[in-house]
Amino acid sequence: SAVISQKPSRDICQRGTSLTIQCQVDSQVTMMFWYRQQPGQSLTLIATANQGSEATYESGFVIDKFPISRPNLTFSTLTVSNMSPEDSSIYLCSVAVSANTGELFFGEGSRLTVL
Amino acid sequence: AQKVTQAQTEISVVEKEDVTLDCVYETRDTTYYLFWYKQPPSGELVFLIRRNSFDEQNEISGRYSWNFQKSTSSFNFTITASQVVDSAVYFCALSVQAAGNKLTFGGGTRVLVKP
Repeated sequence: SAVISQKPSRDICQRGTSLTIQCQVDSQVTMMFWYRQQPGQSLTLIATANQGSEATYESGFVIDKFPISRPNLTFSTLTVSNMSPEDSSIYLCSVAVSANTGELFFGEGSRLTVL
Repeated sequence: AQKVTQAQTEISVVEKEDVTLDCVYETRDTTYYLFWYKQPPSGELVFLIRRNSFDEQNEISGRYSWNFQKSTSSFNFTITASQVVDSAVYFCALSVQAAGNKLTFGGGTRVLVKP
Protein backbone atom coordinates (compact mmCIF):
# COMPACT_ATOMS: atom_id res chain seq x y z
CA SER A 1 0.00 0.00 0.00
CA ALA A 2 0.94 3.67 -0.02
CA VAL A 3 0.27 6.48 2.40
CA ILE A 4 -0.39 9.77 0.66
CA SER A 5 -0.30 13.18 2.31
CA GLN A 6 -1.80 16.19 0.62
CA LYS A 7 -1.33 19.79 1.64
CA PRO A 8 -3.28 21.93 2.13
CA SER A 9 -6.31 19.89 3.12
CA ARG A 10 -8.50 22.90 2.44
CA ASP A 11 -8.12 26.55 1.57
CA ILE A 12 -10.13 29.60 0.69
CA CYS A 13 -8.61 31.61 -2.11
CA GLN A 14 -9.23 34.89 -3.81
CA ARG A 15 -10.08 35.16 -7.46
CA GLY A 16 -7.01 35.68 -9.64
CA THR A 17 -4.53 34.08 -7.26
CA SER A 18 -2.72 30.77 -7.64
CA LEU A 19 -2.35 27.92 -5.19
CA THR A 20 0.04 24.99 -5.15
CA ILE A 21 -1.06 21.63 -3.75
CA GLN A 22 1.54 19.18 -2.59
CA CYS A 23 1.34 15.39 -2.70
CA GLN A 24 3.86 13.36 -0.72
CA VAL A 25 3.96 9.55 -0.80
CA ASP A 26 5.68 7.39 1.78
CA SER A 27 7.25 5.15 -0.87
CA GLN A 28 8.46 5.35 -4.43
CA VAL A 29 5.61 4.93 -6.89
CA THR A 30 5.57 4.39 -10.60
CA MET A 31 2.72 6.68 -11.50
CA MET A 32 1.07 9.73 -9.98
CA PHE A 33 -2.16 11.31 -11.11
CA TRP A 34 -4.13 14.44 -10.30
CA TYR A 35 -7.92 14.41 -10.29
CA ARG A 36 -10.51 17.13 -9.86
CA GLN A 37 -13.91 16.72 -8.28
CA GLN A 38 -16.21 19.67 -8.76
CA PRO A 39 -19.06 20.08 -6.25
CA GLY A 40 -21.59 17.28 -6.55
CA GLN A 41 -19.72 15.75 -9.47
CA SER A 42 -17.60 12.73 -10.18
CA LEU A 43 -13.82 12.69 -10.44
CA THR A 44 -12.10 13.79 -13.61
CA LEU A 45 -8.47 13.12 -14.43
CA ILE A 46 -6.47 16.30 -14.94
CA ALA A 47 -3.09 14.82 -15.79
CA THR A 48 -0.49 12.17 -15.22
CA ALA A 49 2.54 13.52 -13.41
CA ASN A 50 5.67 12.16 -15.06
CA GLN A 51 8.90 12.02 -13.12
CA GLY A 52 11.54 14.23 -14.69
CA SER A 53 9.43 15.33 -17.64
CA GLU A 54 6.35 17.33 -18.50
CA ALA A 55 3.00 16.06 -17.28
CA THR A 56 0.55 14.45 -19.69
CA TYR A 57 -2.71 16.39 -19.69
CA GLU A 58 -6.18 15.11 -20.45
CA SER A 59 -8.47 16.80 -22.89
CA GLY A 60 -9.76 20.06 -21.49
CA PHE A 61 -6.82 20.68 -19.17
CA VAL A 62 -3.74 22.72 -20.05
CA ILE A 63 -0.35 23.26 -18.51
CA ASP A 64 -0.75 27.02 -18.20
CA LYS A 65 -3.76 26.57 -15.95
CA PHE A 66 -2.59 23.49 -14.06
CA PRO A 67 1.21 23.32 -14.02
CA ILE A 68 2.46 20.12 -12.45
CA SER A 69 5.84 19.14 -11.14
CA ARG A 70 7.22 15.76 -10.20
CA PRO A 71 10.85 16.08 -9.19
CA ASN A 72 11.15 12.54 -7.83
CA LEU A 73 9.26 9.28 -7.33
CA THR A 74 7.60 10.31 -4.07
CA PHE A 75 6.48 13.90 -4.58
CA SER A 76 4.37 15.99 -6.92
CA THR A 77 2.73 19.40 -6.95
CA LEU A 78 -0.29 20.74 -8.77
CA THR A 79 -0.77 24.47 -9.13
CA VAL A 80 -4.17 25.95 -9.89
CA SER A 81 -3.38 29.23 -11.62
CA ASN A 82 -5.35 32.44 -11.89
CA MET A 83 -8.23 30.92 -10.00
CA SER A 84 -11.88 31.67 -10.56
CA PRO A 85 -14.93 30.44 -8.63
CA GLU A 86 -15.30 27.65 -11.21
CA ASP A 87 -12.06 26.17 -9.87
CA SER A 88 -13.68 25.50 -6.51
CA SER A 89 -13.25 21.74 -6.23
CA ILE A 90 -11.59 18.93 -4.40
CA TYR A 91 -8.25 18.10 -5.95
CA LEU A 92 -6.99 14.59 -5.34
CA CYS A 93 -3.62 13.01 -5.80
CA SER A 94 -3.57 9.34 -6.76
CA VAL A 95 -0.69 6.91 -7.07
CA ALA A 96 -0.07 3.54 -8.62
CA VAL A 97 2.46 1.47 -6.73
CA SER A 98 2.80 -0.98 -9.59
CA ALA A 99 1.92 -0.55 -13.24
CA ASN A 100 0.82 -4.16 -13.48
CA THR A 101 -1.57 -4.69 -10.60
CA GLY A 102 -3.92 -1.78 -11.14
CA GLU A 103 -3.72 -0.83 -7.47
CA LEU A 104 -4.44 2.85 -7.05
CA PHE A 105 -4.41 4.85 -3.84
CA PHE A 106 -5.83 8.30 -3.17
CA GLY A 107 -4.83 11.12 -0.90
CA GLU A 108 -7.42 12.76 1.31
CA GLY A 109 -7.90 15.57 -1.16
CA SER A 110 -7.48 19.33 -1.07
CA ARG A 111 -10.75 21.22 -0.91
CA LEU A 112 -10.39 24.63 -2.54
CA THR A 113 -12.98 27.38 -2.38
CA VAL A 114 -12.43 30.38 -4.63
CA LEU A 115 -14.26 33.57 -3.74
CA ALA B 1 -12.13 5.21 -24.93
CA GLN B 2 -13.46 4.01 -21.63
CA LYS B 3 -16.81 4.79 -20.09
CA VAL B 4 -18.51 3.95 -16.80
CA THR B 5 -22.20 4.47 -16.23
CA GLN B 6 -23.93 4.49 -12.88
CA ALA B 7 -27.54 4.96 -13.79
CA GLN B 8 -28.75 5.54 -10.24
CA THR B 9 -27.88 9.01 -9.01
CA GLU B 10 -29.43 8.60 -5.58
CA ILE B 11 -30.90 5.75 -3.55
CA SER B 12 -32.69 6.14 -0.28
CA VAL B 13 -33.31 3.14 1.99
CA VAL B 14 -34.29 2.45 5.54
CA GLU B 15 -31.73 0.86 7.81
CA LYS B 16 -31.42 -2.93 7.44
CA GLU B 17 -32.68 -2.91 3.88
CA ASP B 18 -30.42 -4.24 1.15
CA VAL B 19 -29.29 -1.88 -1.57
CA THR B 20 -27.76 -2.72 -4.95
CA LEU B 21 -25.74 -0.20 -6.93
CA ASP B 22 -25.48 -0.74 -10.66
CA CYS B 23 -22.36 -0.16 -12.73
CA VAL B 24 -22.00 -0.71 -16.46
CA TYR B 25 -18.68 -0.18 -18.21
CA GLU B 26 -17.39 0.09 -21.75
CA THR B 27 -13.93 -0.71 -23.00
CA ARG B 28 -12.34 -2.44 -25.97
CA ASP B 29 -9.35 -3.54 -23.96
CA THR B 30 -9.15 -7.10 -22.73
CA THR B 31 -7.03 -6.32 -19.67
CA TYR B 32 -8.69 -3.94 -17.30
CA TYR B 33 -9.55 -3.39 -13.66
CA LEU B 34 -12.82 -2.43 -12.04
CA PHE B 35 -13.08 -0.62 -8.75
CA TRP B 36 -15.59 0.54 -6.22
CA TYR B 37 -14.84 3.49 -3.96
CA LYS B 38 -16.83 5.00 -1.12
CA GLN B 39 -16.79 8.73 -0.48
CA PRO B 40 -18.32 9.64 2.87
CA PRO B 41 -19.32 13.24 3.65
CA SER B 42 -15.79 13.94 4.89
CA GLY B 43 -14.63 13.70 1.28
CA GLU B 44 -11.88 11.12 1.23
CA LEU B 45 -12.06 8.21 -1.19
CA VAL B 46 -12.17 4.85 0.50
CA PHE B 47 -11.11 1.89 -1.61
CA LEU B 48 -13.56 -1.02 -1.43
CA ILE B 49 -12.58 -3.51 -4.10
CA ARG B 50 -10.52 -4.06 -7.24
CA ARG B 51 -11.33 -6.74 -9.77
CA ASN B 52 -9.33 -7.65 -12.85
CA SER B 53 -10.95 -8.58 -16.11
CA PHE B 54 -9.87 -12.18 -15.90
CA ASP B 55 -11.49 -12.89 -12.58
CA GLU B 56 -15.25 -13.14 -12.78
CA GLN B 57 -15.71 -14.67 -9.39
CA ASN B 58 -18.17 -12.85 -7.24
CA GLU B 59 -16.87 -11.61 -3.93
CA ILE B 60 -18.31 -11.12 -0.50
CA SER B 61 -16.72 -9.07 2.23
CA GLY B 62 -18.85 -8.77 5.33
CA ARG B 63 -22.03 -6.96 4.33
CA TYR B 64 -20.61 -6.06 0.93
CA SER B 65 -20.82 -8.23 -2.16
CA TRP B 66 -19.95 -7.69 -5.79
CA ASN B 67 -21.31 -9.31 -8.93
CA PHE B 68 -19.04 -9.10 -11.98
CA GLN B 69 -20.55 -10.20 -15.30
CA LYS B 70 -18.45 -9.69 -18.40
CA SER B 71 -21.32 -10.81 -20.63
CA THR B 72 -23.27 -7.72 -19.65
CA SER B 73 -20.25 -5.50 -18.82
CA SER B 74 -21.57 -4.96 -15.35
CA PHE B 75 -19.98 -4.82 -11.91
CA ASN B 76 -22.77 -4.37 -9.40
CA PHE B 77 -22.35 -3.77 -5.70
CA THR B 78 -24.75 -4.84 -2.96
CA ILE B 79 -24.83 -3.68 0.63
CA THR B 80 -26.73 -6.13 2.79
CA ALA B 81 -28.55 -4.98 5.92
CA SER B 82 -27.59 -1.36 5.35
CA GLN B 83 -26.54 0.88 8.21
CA VAL B 84 -26.58 4.63 8.64
CA VAL B 85 -22.78 4.64 8.35
CA ASP B 86 -23.16 3.34 4.81
CA SER B 87 -24.53 6.73 3.77
CA ALA B 88 -22.06 8.03 1.22
CA VAL B 89 -21.45 8.48 -2.47
CA TYR B 90 -20.23 5.31 -4.16
CA PHE B 91 -18.15 5.42 -7.32
CA CYS B 92 -17.51 2.66 -9.79
CA ALA B 93 -14.33 3.09 -11.81
CA LEU B 94 -12.42 1.43 -14.63
CA SER B 95 -8.77 1.42 -15.57
CA VAL B 96 -7.12 -0.28 -18.51
CA GLN B 97 -3.53 -1.38 -18.46
CA ALA B 98 -2.95 -0.11 -21.97
CA ALA B 99 -3.84 3.41 -20.85
CA GLY B 100 -1.44 3.45 -17.95
CA ASN B 101 -3.93 2.64 -15.23
CA LYS B 102 -5.72 5.97 -15.38
CA LEU B 103 -9.10 5.71 -13.72
CA THR B 104 -12.35 6.54 -15.47
CA PHE B 105 -15.08 7.14 -12.92
CA GLY B 106 -18.80 6.73 -13.14
CA GLY B 107 -21.01 9.58 -12.05
CA GLY B 108 -21.48 8.15 -8.59
CA THR B 109 -24.53 6.98 -6.65
CA ARG B 110 -25.49 8.75 -3.46
CA VAL B 111 -26.82 6.31 -0.87
CA LEU B 112 -28.85 7.64 2.00
CA VAL B 113 -29.62 5.19 4.77
CA LYS B 114 -32.30 6.42 7.13
CA PRO B 115 -32.58 5.12 10.68
